[in-house]
Amino acid sequence: AQSVTQLGSHVSVSEGALVLLRCNYSSSVPPYLFWYVQYPNQGLQLLLKYTTGATLVKGINGFEAEFKKSETSFHLTKPSAHMSDAAEYFCAARNTGNQFYFGTGTSLTVIP
Amino acid sequence: GAGVSQSPSNKVTEKGKDVELRCDPISGHTALYWYRQRLGQGLEFLIYFQGNSAPDKSGLPSDRFSAERTGESVSTLTIQRTQQEDSAVYLCASSLLGTVNQPQHFGDGTRLSIL
Repeated sequence: AQSVTQLGSHVSVSEGALVLLRCNYSSSVPPYLFWYVQYPNQGLQLLLKYTTGATLVKGINGFEAEFKKSETSFHLTKPSAHMSDAAEYFCAARNTGNQFYFGTGTSLTVIP
Repeated sequence: GAGVSQSPSNKVTEKGKDVELRCDPISGHTALYWYRQRLGQGLEFLIYFQGNSAPDKSGLPSDRFSAERTGESVSTLTIQRTQQEDSAVYLCASSLLGTVNQPQHFGDGTRLSIL
């Protein structure tokens, strides 16, 4: 079965610093991968999605994710954190059976 | 365009009562999912509807939980004889099928509190 692991349930960065949120998937066949963001009292909003053949995927709000098949990873980055980036981030994988598998989430705190 | 709509946004009820939560998916989305999110935790899969196929109910935690969907429209999640551990945010998502890199689109959830 597919699974998604997010390392670090809480990440704190200073405003203007690099954001790195880690996600690893477990599958011999790379699934379709997504990053979502959840602001307080809201549902999940799509940040970006993996496109077959791409290694670097660009999303909204300046976020990017790099797909590395050799490391089974899909880490999320942003060069410079803003206060408004403080939220919960979820990595998700979709298999060909249309089932989605979510990581346990990473809470990002941005320190002014 | 309209997104996924869930109602009510908040529901407070007494232990032992039944509750019904509603989800209006994005028009044309054949797949619909229900998740439970307890405070400070990730998403717990409950049930998945795909068109007119039999739903995947493998995530329902007990027989007190049930869900229905008519065709590709509204879905209702029913919790009977509610218990305090049912307190959570219940999220609904819909998705297109046919192309596997289609994401899920989420509603804002129903926050359920059992007294």
